[in-house]
Amino acid sequence: AQKITQTQPGMFVQEKEAVTLDCTYDTSDQSYGLFWYKQPSSGEMIFLIYQGSYDEQNATEGRYSLNFQKARKSANLVISASQLGDSAMYFCAMREANTGNQFYFGTGTSLTVIP
Amino acid sequence: GAVVSQHPSWVICKSGTSVKIECRSLDFQATTMFWYRQFPKQSLMLMATSNEGSKATYEQGVEKDKFLINHASLTLSTLTVTSAHPEDSSFYICSARVRTGPPYEQYFGPGTRLTVT
Repeated sequence: AQKITQTQPGMFVQEKEAVTLDCTYDTSDQSYGLFWYKQPSSGEMIFLIYQGSYDEQNATEGRYSLNFQKARKSANLVISASQLGDSAMYFCAMREANTGNQFYFGTGTSLTVIP
Repeated sequence: GAVVSQHPSWVICKSGTSVKIECRSLDFQATTMFWYRQFPKQSLMLMATSNEGSKATYEQGVEKDKFLINHASLTLSTLTVTSAHPEDSSFYICSARVRTGPPYEQYFGPGTRLTVT
């Protein structure tokens, strides 16, 4: 079974609008971490935001927020006030405490911001 | 934030030759470094995990004799693609884990694009 599922291969959003990128995960661990990374065309993986499984509040970092719904095992990324520079691939990832080193990535969502 | 560098950023080599890629953590010590491979429009696939001073742990299906990993210090890991073939052409990304404290963030290098002709 897929550990991380991103069901949106491609998304479009109008500049200055908000967009939600979906991510669901599968784990039986109680302790795990969820991450979002941005990968522009240059290839570099840029860390955006982190949510721990025990964190009660949704993580926020500037224009990025993570909508964490533990019971549904979803960790959607919300980007507010989209900018042209937000156009990139976005990857959701998870690391389980039990597996330590293994970092599971989703298949990614390609976001295009339209002016 | 923590910075991870990779060198070279891109390399073209002939089939049968070997290529070494360096990964350095510039402003932190990394007990663990990871090597990923990414094909166009696909996700990152973990190839191996290396801990400083010990042998790398390879993921299933990754040939350890072909992809040699050395983690000689807390700031440097190298990946050598031996006897490269065109099917080894890919984007290789390293990642380093910050040494102290949870959530043990991983920071990624900018990647190395390898083309084997």
